[in-house]
Amino acid sequence: GAGVSQSPSNKVTEKGKDVELRCDPISGHTALYWYRQSLGQGLEFLIYFQGNSAPDKSGLPSDRFSAERTGGSVSTLTIQRTQQEDSAVYLCASSPLAAETQYFGPGTRLLVL
Amino acid sequence: AQSVSQHNHHVILSEAASLELGCNYSYGGTVNLFWYVQYPGQHLQLLLKYFSGDPLVKGIKGFEAEFIKSKFSFNLRKPSVQWSDTAEYFCAVNANSGTYKYIFGTGTRLKVLA
Repeated sequence: GAGVSQSPSNKVTEKGKDVELRCDPISGHTALYWYRQSLGQGLEFLIYFQGNSAPDKSGLPSDRFSAERTGGSVSTLTIQRTQQEDSAVYLCASSPLAAETQYFGPGTRLLVL
Repeated sequence: AQSVSQHNHHVILSEAASLELGCNYSYGGTVNLFWYVQYPGQHLQLLLKYFSGDPLVKGIKGFEAEFIKSKFSFNLRKPSVQWSDTAEYFCAVNANSGTYKYIFGTGTRLKVLA
């Protein structure tokens, strides 16, 4: 079946604008994760969903970041009032169950000018 | 706080050389351990994982890793690398403590010279 998809693949925005990043997980996967990968850095955990609820939001860097998941499927990561330091690749992953193998999407490359 | 250290940031090897990439984590409880790989232009994908049992685990493409609990380590090995192993390798840890947060290392870029 189809893998994890993310859109857009690339996003260029101006400082101060809001952006929405979308993740479509593999059908039937209950767990969904968002990560941020900055140049030269590892994957920084942002948030984890089990179904539609987010038991762990500890990685969200500030209150400008929020995420939701609807219908136990699609998730949206929203960054409000973007800053240049938000520039990074945002990765989404899903897994059949929490703590299992994660399947990653291709990522959204965000550039804030 | 939990952390994962990958000591080698860049590794360059010739084909047929042996590979060992280090991974150490800081967490005293039960852990699930993973190595993920990202080939150029591709998604991150699982290379191998350890949950329990035999501490020597084998993954795809001839890779293996050994969990040494006393050293908090999960080093990745391959006896003879190929040019196609050129990629970035990430170690990840999930503390099996009711949280499903994964901690990733900063990655090791491997370049294999033909």
